[in-house]
Amino acid sequence: GQNIDQPTEMTATEGAIVQINCTYQTSGFNGLFWYQQHAGEAPTFLSYNVLDGLEEKGRFSSFLSRSKGYSYLLLKELQMKDSASYLCAVRDSNYQLIWGAGTKLIIKP
Amino acid sequence: ETGVTQTPRHLVMGMTNKKSLKCEQHLGHNAMYWYKQSAKKPLELMFVYNFKEQTENNSVPSRFSPECPNSSHLFLHLHTLQPEDSALYLCASSLRTDSSYEQYFGPGTRLTVT
Repeated sequence: GQNIDQPTEMTATEGAIVQINCTYQTSGFNGLFWYQQHAGEAPTFLSYNVLDGLEEKGRFSSFLSRSKGYSYLLLKELQMKDSASYLCAVRDSNYQLIWGAGTKLIIKP
Repeated sequence: ETGVTQTPRHLVMGMTNKKSLKCEQHLGHNAMYWYKQSAKKPLELMFVYNFKEQTENNSVPSRFSPECPNSSHLFLHLHTLQPEDSALYLCASSLRTDSSYEQYFGPGTRLTVT
């Protein structure tokens, strides 16, 4: 079966750096997405990786290793507004998105 | 209006009621999706429409019935639901289904079945 694993919850301190990991086992691979979802709101797109390596976008970076079935989202200079759930999703060979259950990130002052 | 809108935002219905959820996208996209989001579970894809044609139906019970009259509008008709159907129902759209384009989500409808 297809599976996406990510930690259920993480806690970090304002101003620090946090890395959220995602491992996947899917039938084929056509890209990996990270979304942010604040409580009670819609998921919003953060990043997309289809080739191995690091994609940087401001304070957020996303890394992909296709051979290891692994990705991480790196958040720098954490702000209180970064408290949210972070969803990892992989597009499989049928271009269907397979979603992880999300990682709830709690930022403490 | 911009982006993806959904109405109503909250809905409480009895198990014998019939109701409909509405989604509208103002992004010029050709693909639209219905997802179910339950607490601490992955998003569950329910239905996919590409250029108004249904392309996916992931074993969804018949008490959920989608309708896509055009590329901008998507409905989810509900009847004789069960309490376990209580969840957040999210609509999303993307330029196409067979591409790397991200999906844009609406704010969701919080459904409670009593």
